[in-house]
Amino acid sequence: GENVEQHPSTLSVQEGDSAVIKCTYSDSASNYFPWYKQELGKGPQLIIDIRSNVGEKKDQRIAVTLNKTAKHFSLHITETQPEDSAVYFCAAMDSSYKLIFGSGTRLLVRP
Amino acid sequence: NAGVTQTPKFRVLKTGQSMTLLCAQDMNHEYMYWYRQDPGMGLRLIHYSVGEGTTAKGEVPDGYNVSRLKKQNFLLGLESAAPSQTSVYFCASSSTGLQNDEQYFGPGTRLTVT
Repeated sequence: GENVEQHPSTLSVQEGDSAVIKCTYSDSASNYFPWYKQELGKGPQLIIDIRSNVGEKKDQRIAVTLNKTAKHFSLHITETQPEDSAVYFCAAMDSSYKLIFGSGTRLLVRP
Repeated sequence: NAGVTQTPKFRVLKTGQSMTLLCAQDMNHEYMYWYRQDPGMGLRLIHYSVGEGTTAKGEVPDGYNVSRLKKQNFLLGLESAAPSQTSVYFCASSSTGLQNDEQYFGPGTRLTVT
């Protein structure tokens, strides 16, 4: 079955710097990759997603890139702000349409 | 719209006790899911439902049962709680369960089994 690995587990950046979180997946049949943001005490919330027929997608300060050949995808946050501090999860949708999540990255943006 | 709500928010159980977690959604979604979240392990799917009256096993179904008697509600039951079931439980729903179909998550239930 699908397996998703996520790195790093924690990331600390200075406000205004960029942050990059990387994920790899194992099942070449997976073709939908969402990213979720989880704030303290809340449930995860979708922030951006990408399908396998697209290499990059941007939404204001966040972007996701996908390399299907290498089976990895990344989340890029530019001009980080303190409110970006949260736990971020990547996921891959397997062939039975179930999401398989990475282990999460705790991002801390230092003011 | 309240979105996805979960009851209760917190619960402490003793080993062997039973309880039911309630999830409700007001978005008329067909698909509903129960996940557990443990430190360093992300979210793992316990059970899910593709519509009223249907349920299916996910990645970690042992020790749990579910029911979907009404479209808007998805119940997760623990018949005999064990310390290994200490976790944060999240319910989610989506319209069709297919790609590009966002899963909306509830706020979670923190369960401690002593």
